[in-house]
Amino acid sequence: GAGVSQTPSNKVTEKGKYVELRCDPISGHTALYWYRQSLGQGPEFLIYFQGTGAADDSGLPNDRFFAVRPEGSVSTLKIQRTERGDSAVYLCAGSGREQYFGPGTRLTVT
Amino acid sequence: GEDVEQSLFLSVREGDSSVINCTYTDSSSTYLYWYKQEPGAGLQLLTYIFSNMDMKQDQRLTVLLNKKDKHLSLRIADTQTGDSAIYFCAETYNTGFQKLVFGTGTRLLVSP
Repeated sequence: GAGVSQTPSNKVTEKGKYVELRCDPISGHTALYWYRQSLGQGPEFLIYFQGTGAADDSGLPNDRFFAVRPEGSVSTLKIQRTERGDSAVYLCAGSGREQYFGPGTRLTVT
Repeated sequence: GEDVEQSLFLSVREGDSSVINCTYTDSSSTYLYWYKQEPGAGLQLLTYIFSNMDMKQDQRLTVLLNKKDKHLSLRIADTQTGDSAIYFCAETYNTGFQKLVFGTGTRLLVSP
């Protein structure tokens, strides 16, 4: 596609549920990043993929968060046992030197 | 350590110049970026500067970097109402990949 796409655009879930957020990067971008943006804040780094492998997951807040990129293109961010504090916009980006961001998934945990 | 700070709010009149400031703490930054975020939208890369440069100009945008003071600024000439948005500066390091560290953002309001 022409740009980075993310689905769903909005997700409302109940506390304790499991969610998956999907990122479809620009074709040919081998590097993929996930960020989380809380209300009134700048985005914070979560995890970086180079190809299929997670090269740096130091930003994942705890072991409830996990991400995969099995074929080196589409990536899925998975959150188990969601908590209200997980509510945020989750942004995906693909890049060379310049990172191109998707529109984000707004996750609301009630 | 990594810390990027910005003022929270700037208000200007249409046609004036806007200057958005950013300070960072890590002297090993390699690239510094400016992103624009409009309501409900993703981040749009506006421009970036390599850390060995002092200035970069791109149409209405001028980026100034004072590496000694770790100060970055974005000047928007002839500001338009469509420039109203949140502006984020971000830095990255020579770590082999481009992990961006963002500031908290400056909300620019342009009034007619």
